Amino acid sequence: EDQVTQSPEALRLQEGESSSLNCSYTVSGLRGLFWYRQDPGKGPEFLFTLYSAGEEKEKERLKATLTKKESFLHITAPKPEDSATYLCAVEGAQKLVFGQGTRLTINP
Amino acid sequence: DGGITQSPKYLFRKEGQNVTLSCEQNLNHDAMYWYRQDPGQGLRLIYYSQIVNDFQKGDIAEGYSVSREKKESFPLTVTSAQKNPTAFYLCASSIQGGMGSYEQYFGPGTRLTVT
Repeated sequence: EDQVTQSPEALRLQEGESSSLNCSYTVSGLRGLFWYRQDPGKGPEFLFTLYSAGEEKEKERLKATLTKKESFLHITAPKPEDSATYLCAVEGAQKLVFGQGTRLTINP
Repeated sequence: DGGITQSPKYLFRKEGQNVTLSCEQNLNHDAMYWYRQDPGQGLRLIYYSQIVNDFQKGDIAEGYSVSREKKESFPLTVTSAQKNPTAFYLCASSIQGGMGSYEQYFGPGTRLTVT
């Protein structure tokens, strides 16, 4: 069965303090790994798709990387507006499997 | 602007009543999906549809029903058979479903409370 585990569950950082969020997965035949950002009470917002090990994608202060067993979402010099829950999902047999998310708080 | 709309944003119902959640998209996407989100859990797939007039059960379809009569619309009915209907419901769409991997875009969600 496809599985996704995100860690940590919650992370508090000071503004400017860089860190990484982890997404570990087991899937039979990875078709894609997706990162989303979700603000409280809103729908997830698409960030990145990664398809193969070694691939990297960047957007502003965020960079996503992928290995055969996990993905990292690196956040560099974060700002308070980066506070949100970050969701990871993998696509195996024609459906997405989501992790529980990492709740990120950036203190000014 | 293209996007996905869900209505209403908040919905309150008495136990034993059926309720229908609306989802409309103008992205010209073929595939549409319904998820349920509960605190501390990942999104769980209820139903999905890859083409008009066809849909498949997801992981937690019991107590729910859907229809796909138009490409743009994929309403979800929460029936009285659903034992724990209170949740945040999210609708999503993607260019295609099935083979290949395409990102899904989500609507703003409907928070359903049943008492």
